[in-house]
Amino acid sequence: DTAVSQTPKYLVTQMGNDKSIKCEQNLGHDTMYWYKQDSKKFLKIMFSYNNKELIINETVPNRFSPKSPDKAHLNLHINSLELGDSAVYFCASSRGGVAQHFGDGTRLSIL
Amino acid sequence: QKEVEQDPGPLSVPEGAIVSLNCTYSNSAFQYFMWYRQYSRKGPELLMYTYSSGNKEDGRFTAQVDKSSKYISLFIRDSQPSDSATYLCAWAVSSNTGKLIFGQGTTLQVKP
Repeated sequence: DTAVSQTPKYLVTQMGNDKSIKCEQNLGHDTMYWYKQDSKKFLKIMFSYNNKELIINETVPNRFSPKSPDKAHLNLHINSLELGDSAVYFCASSRGGVAQHFGDGTRLSIL
Repeated sequence: QKEVEQDPGPLSVPEGAIVSLNCTYSNSAFQYFMWYRQYSRKGPELLMYTYSSGNKEDGRFTAQVDKSSKYISLFIRDSQPSDSATYLCAWAVSSNTGKLIFGQGTTLQVKP
């Protein structure tokens, strides 16, 4: 009965590949987010969707493309992976804005 | 100047100590203030949330906000080894957009 679940937990891949991370929430929230946490634990928002509509799109390379098929799901597709993309990617959800529930992250390592 | 400054630590204290964690910010537009706790290899979890200056208490945790000084603190009383984690301060300009700005996090270790 995990509230916000992400798959996969670990992703190890070669530079130049394309990969996707999936996120699902069962809290009935209307807003979902993607965050990136770097090696120094700095957590930065990338995107947010409200009722399947993109509402936050920070300065992120267009190799990153979020997709929300419905309110409970938000996926992140990354094209042409680069070494600098290595990080932990967190999905979160909320009803409204500030009290966000996070998943346990996807650890992406680029070889 | 960074929007948010937080001492990354690590901070090591003995069990039972009072812990003070602090953040400063530069953006006067911030209206909502949060503390998140993140255990190793887990996602952040919301500990405290307030939108006004003053103190807010929840069990052993007290959040203090001083908007005039642009300073927020989290106090942990009677610290326990289970409090060992990284503590992230966060801000939002409004409750509608959900855009949170996080501090770098302070790593706390409570030794038995």
